[in-house]
Amino acid sequence: AQSVTQLGSHVSVSEGALVLLRCNYSSSVPPYLFWYVQYPNQGLQLLLKYTSAATLVKGINGFEAEFKKSETSFHLTKPSAHMSDAAEYFCAVILNSGGYQKVTFGTGTKLQVIP
Amino acid sequence: DTAVSQTPKYLVTQMGNDKSIKCEQNLGHDTMYWYKQDSKKFLKIMFSYNNKELIINETVPNRFSPKSPDKAHLNLHINSLELGDSAVYFCASGRAGSSYEQYFGPGTRLTVT
Repeated sequence: AQSVTQLGSHVSVSEGALVLLRCNYSSSVPPYLFWYVQYPNQGLQLLLKYTSAATLVKGINGFEAEFKKSETSFHLTKPSAHMSDAAEYFCAVILNSGGYQKVTFGTGTKLQVIP
Repeated sequence: DTAVSQTPKYLVTQMGNDKSIKCEQNLGHDTMYWYKQDSKKFLKIMFSYNNKELIINETVPNRFSPKSPDKAHLNLHINSLELGDSAVYFCASGRAGSSYEQYFGPGTRLTVT
């Protein structure tokens, strides 16, 4: 069975500070990993994805994430937070097993950016 | 152009009623999904359709039924609505195969009174 754990339901950072949002997964087969962002009253928007190519993945809005198989982690980072980064962030795992997709989202982390 | 659209955006109805939410995508994707997001922002997949065939059917009540008239549409029908059905429902689409990334609609906020 697969699972996704996002540590910290709320994270606060100062504007200009490093953003680090944590995601750990468990999976019996190599997973596809994603980070999505949800702004208030909107749908989810894809930030970046890992699909077994480079372990360091760059996404939109200056975000990046590193896949670490030994730690089963896919943490999201951004060197310098901007006020517009305040949103809810979701980590997701998709497994393809026998032609079927198993989709699991984490419980989300709300990022607050303090001016 | 809107990639994934849903109608209506808001839906307020009474317990016991039957309602539908429509979803359309113009991205040419072959897979569409329905998600339920509860008040705590927890996101759970309900259904997905690939080429008009159901490939994931999570343990949702059979009062919920997806209907896909063609590859660009996946509508959600809900019978005998209950208070616990109140949530935001998201439609998404994607291309099965290499990456499984999904594109989400703006959501439909369903309130059952």
